[in-house]
Amino acid sequence: AQKITQTQPGMFVQEKEAVTLDCTYDTSDQSYGLFWYKQPSSGEMIFLIYQGSYDEQNATEGRYSLNFQKARKSANLVISASQLGDSAMYFCAMKPLNRDDKIIFGKGTRLHILP
Amino acid sequence: DGGITQSPKYLFRKEGQNVTLSCEQNLNHDAMYWYRQDPGQGLRLIYYSQIVNDFQKGDIAEGYSVSREKKESFPLTVTSAQKNPTAFYLCASSRPGPYEQYFGPGTRLTVT
Repeated sequence: AQKITQTQPGMFVQEKEAVTLDCTYDTSDQSYGLFWYKQPSSGEMIFLIYQGSYDEQNATEGRYSLNFQKARKSANLVISASQLGDSAMYFCAMKPLNRDDKIIFGKGTRLHILP
Repeated sequence: DGGITQSPKYLFRKEGQNVTLSCEQNLNHDAMYWYRQDPGQGLRLIYYSQIVNDFQKGDIAEGYSVSREKKESFPLTVTSAQKNPTAFYLCASSRPGPYEQYFGPGTRLTVT
């Protein structure tokens, strides 16, 4: 069975510091994709970054990077130089790529950036 | 501008009434999804559809129904059989393969 685990229900980080949000996953699929989404208090889900299981390099998108460790089944999100606007809920998700199936979401981590 | 629209943003209903939540996309995506989110919680999959005229139950389908008569539209009906329907409902769509889901802005349903 596929599963996403986010062990940090909440985090408090000082503005301008880097922050790492943890995500581990479990799957028997060989080909899969990993996603991170941000959900501000308004409720919309914002796609941040994607990592394919066969990608050798860690994905980066601006201040976001994904620390992908395939052997450990870990896909942590790193936000550099955090800003007050980064305060939100963050969800890790996984999707098999070689078959039609749904995306599995973790329970999320609520990030609070302190001024 | 391509995207997903959900209407209305806020919806109030009396207990015992069925209510239909709208979801429309103009992204030409084959797959569409409905999620429920309770306060401070993650997303739970209600129903999903990979293609027109076909849909599958997700993890919490009881008390809900859907239809997929058009590629662009995937309405969700919350029936009176749903014991605790008050929640935030999110609709999403995606292409097959290594692509993200696009989400609508959501509908907050309150049943009293």
